Amino acid sequence: QVQMVESGGGVVQPGGSLRLSCVVSGFSNSDMHWVRQAPGKGLEWVAFIRHDGSDKYYADSVKGRFSISRDNSKNTLYLQVNSLRAEDTAVYYCAKGGSDLDYWGQGTLVTVSS
Amino acid sequence: DVVLTQSPLSLPVTLGQPASISCRSSQSVVHNNGNTYLNWFQQRPGQSPRRLIYQVSNRDSGVPDRFSGSGSGTDFTLTISRVEAEDAGVYYCMQGTHWPPVTFGQGTKVEIK
Repeated sequence: QVQMVESGGGVVQPGGSLRLSCVVSGFSNSDMHWVRQAPGKGLEWVAFIRHDGSDKYYADSVKGRFSISRDNSKNTLYLQVNSLRAEDTAVYYCAKGGSDLDYWGQGTLVTVSS
Repeated sequence: DVVLTQSPLSLPVTLGQPASISCRSSQSVVHNNGNTYLNWFQQRPGQSPRRLIYQVSNRDSGVPDRFSGSGSGTDFTLTISRVEAEDAGVYYCMQGTHWPPVTFGQGTKVEIK
């Protein structure tokens, strides 16, 4: 059974940092994405990493501030979020798959506020 | 970037009646490999998105057969043949053909009258 559990969210001041984690089970070595959703808004793709970490892509809105990585030995996906802004406030979801995003986690909330 | 435009953005429906949501893309989302990576997701209140349909018309496991997807090229439709109370929520189309970035439609809120 596929499961993905995100953690690491919280309240952080503007300019602060967090590391989000997504622990997966029921599958291994899959391409993975992070997608976010601001309160009351739609879905916004954030970042992608290939199953072996060989390729990484980022949305323009987070390029240079966010970094995606993974540790396949721990079945864990990460998103390091730095230089946070108010507009980064959102629920962050990890999602499995390349072009199809077939399974999603329950999300972790990041709130950027002074 | 591929822009996906959904309509309507709000859809009040009566139980047992059909409902359709349109998703139009700013360019063809047919991949060079011949596949069309146009997916539909349902997000119920307080829940994470759940994929219903992949590659235009393929229903995911466990998705009721009252949900169907159709279309080609730049015009796609999600149809619910007979709306049930549990279908209330927001529906998103998404394209995974021309990426990065993966892009989503704005979302259509389905509410039961």
